[in-house]
Amino acid sequence: LAKTTQPISMDSYEGQEVNITCSHNNIATNDYITWYQQFPSQGPRFIIQGYKTKVTNEVASLFIPADRKSSTLSLPRVSLSDTAVYYCLVGGYSNASKIIFGSGTRLSIQP
Amino acid sequence: DAGITQSPRYKITETGRQVTLMCHQTWSHSYMFWYRQDLGHGLRLIYYSAAADITDKGEVPDGYVVSRSKTENFPLTLESATRSQTSVYFCASKHGGQGAHEQYFGPGTRLTVT
Repeated sequence: LAKTTQPISMDSYEGQEVNITCSHNNIATNDYITWYQQFPSQGPRFIIQGYKTKVTNEVASLFIPADRKSSTLSLPRVSLSDTAVYYCLVGGYSNASKIIFGSGTRLSIQP
Repeated sequence: DAGITQSPRYKITETGRQVTLMCHQTWSHSYMFWYRQDLGHGLRLIYYSAAADITDKGEVPDGYVVSRSKTENFPLTLESATRSQTSVYFCASKHGGQGAHEQYFGPGTRLTVT
């Protein structure tokens, strides 16, 4: 199983760039890396996905090194509304039973 | 309304009772999922379905039953509820396109078993 390991919590300030790293040493060849954001009492919301190198969208960037054993979610210029739990998910849907959500990283943004 | 909905949003039931949680999506996504999230923890996959009439177990399937007779519906049944099944249950869906890994989650059902 492609188990993931993330920091339990992180703190930062408004306007800063935040980088959250996820370790996935047993990632399989056909596994993708997906990140989700979850606010209290809500379902997770998709942020970004990638397979290798770098992916960027309007809210975040995802950096994946060549060995793909880790990935880093980068949130530019965070605001108070970015306070949430962030989950790194590794898996492929050819065998969806192997999809594992980690425990997530609780990000707290201060003014 | 377009999207993914769950009902009921809140449910209290007694130990030993059967309870069914409903999930409905309007996108005709081929994949649907059921997760549980215990207080302060991440999500764990209970069951998933790749298409109508195709279901498979996830990480924690014991005590649960699913069916998928129609693409848009994926009910989850607790056959005989136990206190350990007190949790928030999330349904999700995604389309089956190659490389598409974005799951869309419902608002959740908070289930309490007394």
